[in-house]
Amino acid sequence: AQTVTQSQPEMSVQEAETVTLSCTYDTSESDYYLFWYKQPPSRQMILVIRQEAYKQQNATENRFSVNFQKAAKSFSLKISDSQLGDAAMYFCAYRSAIGNQFYFGTGTSLTVIP
Amino acid sequence: EPEVTQTPSHQVTQMGQEVILRCVPISNHLYFYWYRQILGQKVEFLVSFYNNEISEKSEIFDDQFSVERPDGSNFTLKIRSTKLEDSAMYFCASSGQGARNQPQHFGDGTRLSIL
Repeated sequence: AQTVTQSQPEMSVQEAETVTLSCTYDTSESDYYLFWYKQPPSRQMILVIRQEAYKQQNATENRFSVNFQKAAKSFSLKISDSQLGDAAMYFCAYRSAIGNQFYFGTGTSLTVIP
Repeated sequence: EPEVTQTPSHQVTQMGQEVILRCVPISNHLYFYWYRQILGQKVEFLVSFYNNEISEKSEIFDDQFSVERPDGSNFTLKIRSTKLEDSAMYFCASSGQGARNQPQHFGDGTRLSIL
């Protein structure tokens, strides 16, 4: 089974600064999809950004961007100009091109310091 | 924006009792999922459901679990005889038909506490 690893249980960033959350995964598949979800306290998980493995270009969504390194099986999330509302648990997720389930990492808790 | 809704937000149940967790997926979605998150651990896949049948399930989803879509809107997870280790946050999710890059939309979750 695929595994997703988030090696940073907790991260903090000063407001307006940039932070990078790391994610690595293990798979033998060549076609798959990667996602970052944000989970504010006591709230639902919300999609932040997605990346198709067949695309070489890194996905960007406003202040959020990824650094997708397929050979290294790495999928980090960069948050620029951090805001207080970015404080949340961030989960990296992998989805095979074949199956339906998502495989999640253990999450990184991000604190934004005013 | 349409949302996945889950009820109740918190369920407390005696060990050995049956519990039903309810979900209303986004109305035009066709794929439905249940995940669970034990406190301090990762989110784990339980089951996916499409066209009124289970399409995929994990090892966690054993005979004590069942899912049902009793009508056109609800999607339920039943735990037949709860155990202490079933205490977790349970998330329902749904996704639309189409490309595999479509995200799953999650509900707020139901916190299940087994006493």
